[in-house]
Amino acid sequence: QKEVEQNSGPLSVPEGAIASLNCTYSDRVSQSFFWYRQYSGKSPELIMSIYSNGDKEDGRFTAQLNKASQYVSLLIRDSQPSDSATYLCAVNLGSNYQLIWGAGTKLIIKP
Amino acid sequence: EAQVTQNPRYLITVTGKKLTVTCSQNMNHEYMSWYRQDPGLGLRQIYYSMNVEVTDKGDVPEGYKVSRKEKRNFPLILESPSPNQTSLYFCASSLARKNEQFFGPGTRLTVL
Repeated sequence: QKEVEQNSGPLSVPEGAIASLNCTYSDRVSQSFFWYRQYSGKSPELIMSIYSNGDKEDGRFTAQLNKASQYVSLLIRDSQPSDSATYLCAVNLGSNYQLIWGAGTKLIIKP
Repeated sequence: EAQVTQNPRYLITVTGKKLTVTCSQNMNHEYMSWYRQDPGLGLRQIYYSMNVEVTDKGDVPEGYKVSRKEKRNFPLILESPSPNQTSLYFCASSLARKNEQFFGPGTRLTVL
């Protein structure tokens, strides 16, 4: 069983709608959680980091963390075609803060 | 501008010819890391460094070497490249291991 899991997609969302991306992680001491966006052939770019349960909002992006259920999600409001990319979830697991990466979810925003 | 730089950005080489990919960061970060990314396999860590002179293996270290003589630089060395090392390579850095990582632009390596 992979320690950080994401649906590979592709997830297709109409322009202007809310895109919801999910990530689950294994039952270990989890410290911090990150969402990255990666365009094809480019480097991952940090979108959000979240460290405690609840919601964290930054512009059109909202990260949601639920440690009891072991999932972290990313909501993108008012989706734009430029949001089309692969979204990577990364989780610091364990007391040594090992960063584990999900395989990514490909998001397609349709005009 | 705070950034991670890598060179070269693109490299085509032949089997067995030693090469070095440089990585430098100007953010005074302690933690640095090398990843390779292949279709369907996601990001896989090759080596990481917690600080100067401290390096450790990641998930796929075979065929690679690293060094950390200075805080800002973390070169990746392929002593005898093979075709299965054809990949997209990323260097990343962070304040410490638990913090968010910032990535360089990537190096696309082809080994013939």
